[in-house]
Amino acid sequence: SQKIEQNSEALNIQEGKTATLTCNYTNYSPAYLQWYRQDPGRGPVFLLLIRENEKEKRKERLKVTFDTTLKQSLFHITASQPADSATYLCALGAMNSGGYQKVTFGIGTKLQVIP
Amino acid sequence: SAVISQKPSRDICQRGTSLTIQCQVDSQVTMMFWYRQQPGQSLTLIATANQGSEATYESGFVIDKFPISRPNLTFSTLTVSNMSPEDSSIYLCSDQRGPTSGYTFGSGTRLTVV
Repeated sequence: SQKIEQNSEALNIQEGKTATLTCNYTNYSPAYLQWYRQDPGRGPVFLLLIRENEKEKRKERLKVTFDTTLKQSLFHITASQPADSATYLCALGAMNSGGYQKVTFGIGTKLQVIP
Repeated sequence: SAVISQKPSRDICQRGTSLTIQCQVDSQVTMMFWYRQQPGQSLTLIATANQGSEATYESGFVIDKFPISRPNLTFSTLTVSNMSPEDSSIYLCSDQRGPTSGYTFGSGTRLTVV
């Protein structure tokens, strides 16, 4: 069965360092991979999407890599700040015939940036 | 950016009763989605709601338990029926503005069944 693995343990990192979160998957051939941020008591917020034929995508301090051979995505936050503390979810998507995605979410990794 | 207003934000309900959750979208969207997020678990899709047709339910979810309405392109409701403590969870609605836009989520409804 399809499986998405994110480190369920919290990741603690010092302010200013680069945080790296991992998303591994099995038994899945996604067309897209997405990353979301979720704060306590809030819905997830979409951050980045990377397609299967893309190796890397950047947005401000965020960088996502996608290795379909390793079946892995890495999510980097450079110069991390305490405000980056949140749970980060990866989601794998496949396009259906109607042009819309159906995504499957990972459990998320909680990031704590320590001042 | 897209905005989805979801209410109630939280509720405590007696077992055997029903709760209806509402989501209002700030612009017309074809598809809306309802998710459940249980503690320590990933977001699980309950159903997809298209305007003018019956919702499509995922495996393990049935219409009698989670009836959905989609009367127009900016509004949807999810009812959690005949609740039991196992239904205690966060329920979220979302939409998708385009194939590469990601999902926009409501703020969620935290439901506790006692």
